[in-house]
Amino acid sequence: RKEVEQDPGPFNVPEGATVAFNCTYSNSASQSFFWYRQDCRKEPKLLMSVYSSGNEDGRFTAQLNRASQYISLLIRDSKLSDSATYLCVVNRGGNTPLVFGKGTRLSVIA
Amino acid sequence: DGGITQSPKYLFRKEGQNVTLSCEQNLNHDAMYWYRQDPGQGLRLIYYSQIVNDFQKGDIAEGYSVSREKKESFPLTVTSAQKNPTAFYLCASSPLRDRGNIQYFGAGTRLSVL
Repeated sequence: RKEVEQDPGPFNVPEGATVAFNCTYSNSASQSFFWYRQDCRKEPKLLMSVYSSGNEDGRFTAQLNRASQYISLLIRDSKLSDSATYLCVVNRGGNTPLVFGKGTRLSVIA
Repeated sequence: DGGITQSPKYLFRKEGQNVTLSCEQNLNHDAMYWYRQDPGQGLRLIYYSQIVNDFQKGDIAEGYSVSREKKESFPLTVTSAQKNPTAFYLCASSPLRDRGNIQYFGAGTRLSVL
């Protein structure tokens, strides 16, 4: 089983739609969880950290389920500018480097 | 401006040649990392360093070497032993004391083989 698994997509959605991405991780020692966004041919940028209680930042909501070892990202009212690849990221516990999923590609269509 | 600077943006390597990718940060971050990304693939960890004069192998260290002589700098050498070096190379840094070790990335170097 891969350390971090994501549906590669692509997800093609119309503007204004709500879209959800899920991600599973295999290492129960993982303590830090993030969603990064990567635009085509650019570096990844932090979108949001994911906390056990769930957290929201504008149109974006992230949830963590430790028992089932999955993380989700919900995007409401999709904009054309949301088109990108979304990377699910976890660590291996402690001060270890982050492990990146292969990403889920989102295309928001006018 | 604070940030992570990678150079060059594009690099071409001839057969049998070693090339060095530069990564400099002025964020006063303790840890630095090198990742490789192939088309349609995720990031794979090559090497990382959490303190000056010390570094650890990542998942795909063969054919690469690094040094960490200064906190600000973490150059990566792609040696001739790396038979398939064409990829997008990303350098990152993180403040280890920060919650969750958030990593911040440079703009990357695209390496191609001539």
